[in-house]
Amino acid sequence: NAGVTQTPKFQVLKTGQSMTLQCAQDMNHEYMSWYRQDPGMGLRLIHYSVGAGITDQGEVPNGYNVSRSTTEDFPLRLLSAAPSQTSVYFCASSPGQGAAGGANVLTFGAGSRLTVL
Amino acid sequence: GENVEQHPSTLSVQEGDSAVIKCTYSDSASNYFPWYKQELGKGPQLIIDIRSNVGEKKDQRIAVTLNKTAKHFSLHITETQPEDSAVYFCAPHSEGGTSYGKLTFGQGTILTVHP
Repeated sequence: NAGVTQTPKFQVLKTGQSMTLQCAQDMNHEYMSWYRQDPGMGLRLIHYSVGAGITDQGEVPNGYNVSRSTTEDFPLRLLSAAPSQTSVYFCASSPGQGAAGGANVLTFGAGSRLTVL
Repeated sequence: GENVEQHPSTLSVQEGDSAVIKCTYSDSASNYFPWYKQELGKGPQLIIDIRSNVGEKKDQRIAVTLNKTAKHFSLHITETQPEDSAVYFCAPHSEGGTSYGKLTFGQGTILTVHP
């Protein structure tokens, strides 16, 4: 059982380039989300999804796009990379409403470290 | 939305000592209080949680206590070991509400346990 898989683990971009961070989960979780982690700022929510075809913005959505065409996958797209997007990105999933263990118990991926020059 | 504060931001202890991290929140509707541990180079992982119908929960060397009236809960680690060195996050929220997996995390506490 792989859990939440993120790729790539490391990426260096130039300002203005675009890229996609991939996220896949194999736990049949209903909810998925993307967070960014910056020093002293904790984890901040970028976008989230409550099911296939449904996405919404979190606290810091500007400059990012998401889609959820399947339950398993939740890619994060950087449209035109900026140095302010240098960060570590974490994808997470949680079971959803009605789950016995708790709707919002998050399982995180290992993270993707992005540097924008 | 939930306003979450975590203290201290850094904590340094000697092996065998106890460590306590406090999380203060603003939303009185919050009823689920988890703590996540993030080891170097990894994603956060749930280590213990408590729901608002209990005041304390223990799991071996770690415990969580809740004071709903004062809107804070704390992580207690006893007999600390070097492998407890990590960043700890709290993420209080309303489990039956509209959290939808979109949690507000505390700023994190860097715990260092010196051998």
